[in-house]
Amino acid sequence: GEDVEQSLFLSVREGDSSVINCTYTDSSSTYLYWYKQEPGAGLQLLTYIFSNMDMKQDQRLTVLLNKKDKHLSLRIADTQTGDSAIYFCAERAGTASKLTFGTGTRLQVTL
Amino acid sequence: DAGVIQSPRHEVTEMGQEVTLRCKPISGHNSLFWYRQTMMRGLELLIYFNNNVPIDDSGMPEDRFSAKMPNASFSTLKIQPSEPRDSAVYFCASSLQRDTLAYFGPGTRLTVT
Repeated sequence: GEDVEQSLFLSVREGDSSVINCTYTDSSSTYLYWYKQEPGAGLQLLTYIFSNMDMKQDQRLTVLLNKKDKHLSLRIADTQTGDSAIYFCAERAGTASKLTFGTGTRLQVTL
Repeated sequence: DAGVIQSPRHEVTEMGQEVTLRCKPISGHNSLFWYRQTMMRGLELLIYFNNNVPIDDSGMPEDRFSAKMPNASFSTLKIQPSEPRDSAVYFCASSLQRDTLAYFGPGTRLTVT
């Protein structure tokens, strides 16, 4: 079955880069996603990558995918205090509609 | 577009009472998902619908939980009777069936005392 794992916590200083990592087990994953959840709010889709890509960049966000190792990462350049949130990795297998989420990584940005 | 709309945003109820959570998906979306988020278990998919038809309800924890989608613009998640362990944030999300992107509502925070 599908399993998605993330580290629970990351602390970075404002202005530094953040790298949030995720591993997944389902080799049939077709799309992988990053969502952001701020306190008391819903999940906001940040970016996604198709499984035949190895990198995608969108402004301050860079997604790297190592399909062989089933490893996904999200890099946030020039991290700001407004980036403090929980970041969820999610995968979509094959043509299924549903997403399987990781446990979430809480990013804390310090001054 | 208003996005996915959920109501109520907060619900506090006593054990044994019936609870109904409501969701209006984004207009034109034909897949709808109900997720539950707790500290202990993270985000769990409860059930999802394609074209108003339940496709996978294997995540529904017990018979006390039921979900309906009578039309393309409305879904309900009902818990009867509710128990304290049902306390969680319940999210609804929608997407185009063959699209990659699922959009989440703001959630309903349920507290059962």
